[in-house]
Amino acid sequence: QVHLQESGPGLVKPSETLSLTCAVSGSSVNSGYYWGWIRQPPGKGLEWIATIFRTGSTQYNPSLRGRITISLDISKNQFSLRLSSVSAADTGIYYCARQIAPKQLVFDPWGQGTLVTVSS
Amino acid sequence: DIQMTQSPSSVSASVGDRVTITCRASQGISTSLAWYQQRPGKAPGLLIYTASTLQSGVPSRFSGSGSGTHFTLTISGLQPEDFATYYCQQTNSFPFTFGQGTRLDIK
Repeated sequence: QVHLQESGPGLVKPSETLSLTCAVSGSSVNSGYYWGWIRQPPGKGLEWIATIFRTGSTQYNPSLRGRITISLDISKNQFSLRLSSVSAADTGIYYCARQIAPKQLVFDPWGQGTLVTVSS
Repeated sequence: DIQMTQSPSSVSASVGDRVTITCRASQGISTSLAWYQQRPGKAPGLLIYTASTLQSGVPSRFSGSGSGTHFTLTISGLQPEDFATYYCQQTNSFPFTFGQGTRLDIK
């Protein structure tokens, strides 16, 4: 059974860089799946952030481009997200998920999510 | 970007009812549409992909239909565990985008 677990600081100061990691078990990040990040501001809807494939190929949400980096660590079977110059608008729950190519890159399964608050 | 618009934003229903949620895309996306269920305090879970294919393990009371720009999610015979928020998502092209969500409450 595939399991994803997000980790990272729960509180980040404005203008600093947010770093999150998603540890994967039950599946290899070096397999044929894609891996992605999605976020959800408090009480609001879902926003796709970024996607990466084992080759290192990436896709980023243009609304965040220039501030985000997604990367893969095959040796640790995990992938990561860095979001720079954060502001209060970046507060929310951050989810990592596996994306399945034969199913049009849908997100399944999802991690439980980690709450990130941007505040001084 | 492809905009996804769900209606209604919220709906109240009773156990056993049939409910339909609509999702419209700002441009044609063929059948590149997924539906997710999110219970309070939980991560979303995949219900349906390619507009009408039921994800393994999802009860058959859930069904999806549509193509192009108009899609529907129907729940027949609501169960207590179905009261949640539902999101559609287009998988046609990057950037992937979600609808704003439809909250299904108990009447």
